Amino acid sequence: SQTIHQWPATLVQPVGSPLSLECTVEGTSNPNLYWYRQAAGRGLQLLFYSVGIGQISSEVPQNLSASRPQDRQFILSSKKLLLSDSGFYLCAWDSHSSGANVLTFGAGSRLTVL
Amino acid sequence: KQEVTQIPAALSVPEGENLVLNCSFTDSAIYNLQWFRQDPGKGLTSLLLIQSSQREQTSGRLNASLDKSSGRSTLYIAASQPGDSATYLCAVELYKLSFGAGTTVTVRA
Repeated sequence: SQTIHQWPATLVQPVGSPLSLECTVEGTSNPNLYWYRQAAGRGLQLLFYSVGIGQISSEVPQNLSASRPQDRQFILSSKKLLLSDSGFYLCAWDSHSSGANVLTFGAGSRLTVL
Repeated sequence: KQEVTQIPAALSVPEGENLVLNCSFTDSAIYNLQWFRQDPGKGLTSLLLIQSSQREQTSGRLNASLDKSSGRSTLYIAASQPGDSATYLCAVELYKLSFGAGTTVTVRA
């Protein structure tokens, strides 16, 4: 069966420090991978998605970047965090197969920038 | 740009009452609509997916309907239980998923 792992679960970082959130998927190959951010009282905002190794699409200009160094690994990074980067970050995957695909989410990473 | 609205933002009901959660979207050209459940501080779990050609989907006590022409979906939860307390989000897909802000449900024992 497929599983998705996301870490760290909680992170407190000072303004200006770097960030690295990791996500890995097991039990499938060539998944579509996504990074979302969820702000309190608002819907999920798609930040990045990837359809393959090294292929990253950015939905919203911001202080963050994403990379996909391996087929089932997706990394969210920042060189210098801002206060506004605080939030709940969710990684998700679905398959490339045709038809309706159910999006499967990781447990999330809570980032607090002080 | 697709906009997804969920009303009400929060709902509190006594145990045993049926729940009705609403979702509306502005662009009816969608591939599918999904309902998710999110427990506090956790990721999302998919509950039901309705393809654009379908009118409804059922899973146990959950039933979701879709009226694409009017841009509406309703999630019904029969005979609610305290374990149903969570935030329920709907999302519509065209080329990407657009999420509503969710309805936070509290079922009182």
